[in-house]
Amino acid sequence: KAGVTQTPRYLIKTRGQQVTLSCSPISGHRSVSWYQQTPGQGLQFLFEYFSETQRNKGNFPGRFSGRQFSNSRSEMNVSTLELGDSALYLCASSLGYTDEQFFGPGTRLTVL
Amino acid sequence: GQQLNQSPQSMFIQEGEDVSMNCTSSSIFNTWLWYKQEPGEGPVLLIALYKAGELTSNGRLTAQFGITRKDSFLNISASIPSDVGIYFCAGLNSGGSNYKLTFGKGTLLTVNP
Repeated sequence: KAGVTQTPRYLIKTRGQQVTLSCSPISGHRSVSWYQQTPGQGLQFLFEYFSETQRNKGNFPGRFSGRQFSNSRSEMNVSTLELGDSALYLCASSLGYTDEQFFGPGTRLTVL
Repeated sequence: GQQLNQSPQSMFIQEGEDVSMNCTSSSIFNTWLWYKQEPGEGPVLLIALYKAGELTSNGRLTAQFGITRKDSFLNISASIPSDVGIYFCAGLNSGGSNYKLTFGKGTLLTVNP
């Protein structure tokens, strides 16, 4: 069974631009969660989608948004990029209830 | 919000030594998970614990879900060089709208051959 895939793996943007990251969950998984990982803050929860609905949200500004499609694939968008948005963005999928989450390899975003 | 305190922050050990790391929380979790992350990759699930007091092994790894549901530990026996990486604990409370992982800051493990 294929794992969680994320595209692109690496991205370089400049301040003020916007970016869209994509995540394809494990087949059959209906929940997709997004995390931001930085050396200083560690892994921080962004949001979680289940069956196309945002079910839970972390403490990030409104510039961070996401969505989930009917095939469970998910995208996250960051608008008006800031230098501090440079991070590894990780996507994780699960069946969606009491199950553990499986992570993709991440997208490394660098904002210049 | 919920916070996890993971210790130690880093460990430098000799090959063959045993390793122990733990996480404590200010609130209870229904599930404890342990992940390992290597450079440039996402975290990989090592062990999942679902019941207070549960002790689970996966090869040389053993983890326990604390009785109070506020802590967990991970032991690695007879460490080898490929054990190098960052180990994260994570607590999960599911049910209703509260489905999200809370992570510890990680333990950086270095194994000297």
